[in-house]
Amino acid sequence: EVQLVESGGGLVQPGGSLRLSCVASEFTLSNYWMSWVRQAPGKGLEWVANINLGGGEKYYVDSVKGRFTISRDNAKNSLYLQMNSLRAEDTAVYYCARDKPKPRAGCDYWGQGTLVTVSS
Amino acid sequence: DIQMTQSPSSLSASVGDRVTITCRASQSINSYLNWYQQKPGKAPCLLIYTTSNLQSGVPSRFSGSGSGTDFTLTISSLQPEDFATYYCQQSYTSPQTFGQGTKVEFK
Repeated sequence: EVQLVESGGGLVQPGGSLRLSCVASEFTLSNYWMSWVRQAPGKGLEWVANINLGGGEKYYVDSVKGRFTISRDNAKNSLYLQMNSLRAEDTAVYYCARDKPKPRAGCDYWGQGTLVTVSS
Repeated sequence: DIQMTQSPSSLSASVGDRVTITCRASQSINSYLNWYQQKPGKAPCLLIYTTSNLQSGVPSRFSGSGSGTDFTLTISSLQPEDFATYYCQQSYTSPQTFGQGTKVEFK
């Protein structure tokens, strides 16, 4: 069964950094675009970033550009999100998700999420 | 960025009701519109991709339609397990954007 397991969340002070990881199992990561989506407490979903198969093409929502970096290590079947200069408004559950093989057809598998809390 | 607007924000319905949720994009997104269901404390689940394609394993009471800027998710006969929040998402261009969600509650 396809699984995505996130880790790395926690409490961090404003201005701090965190690195989220997502380990994929039961499928070959290198065959799929991957995404990060977040959800602030009690709020809706917000797409954060995605990355192409080889990692050379990356896209971000404006609010995280220059602060967050998405990356992948296909050999380790892992996806990452490096988050710097964190702000209170970055507080959210962060989900990693697998894009469907068909281009631009949504995300068909999601992790359980990891909570990031930015607070002093 | 493309703005996605769902309506209504919430609705009350009974088991067996036909439920329709609409999603409007601020510009044409062709057919690149997806629908998700989310239950409290859980990750979203893909229901419909590219407007009208049913994701594997999703019951056939769910259907999607539309094109350009206006899209619809229909649940033909609401079941107890369908009480949840539904989100549309445009995947036409980055940044991909979600609607604000529609909460389907028990009447």
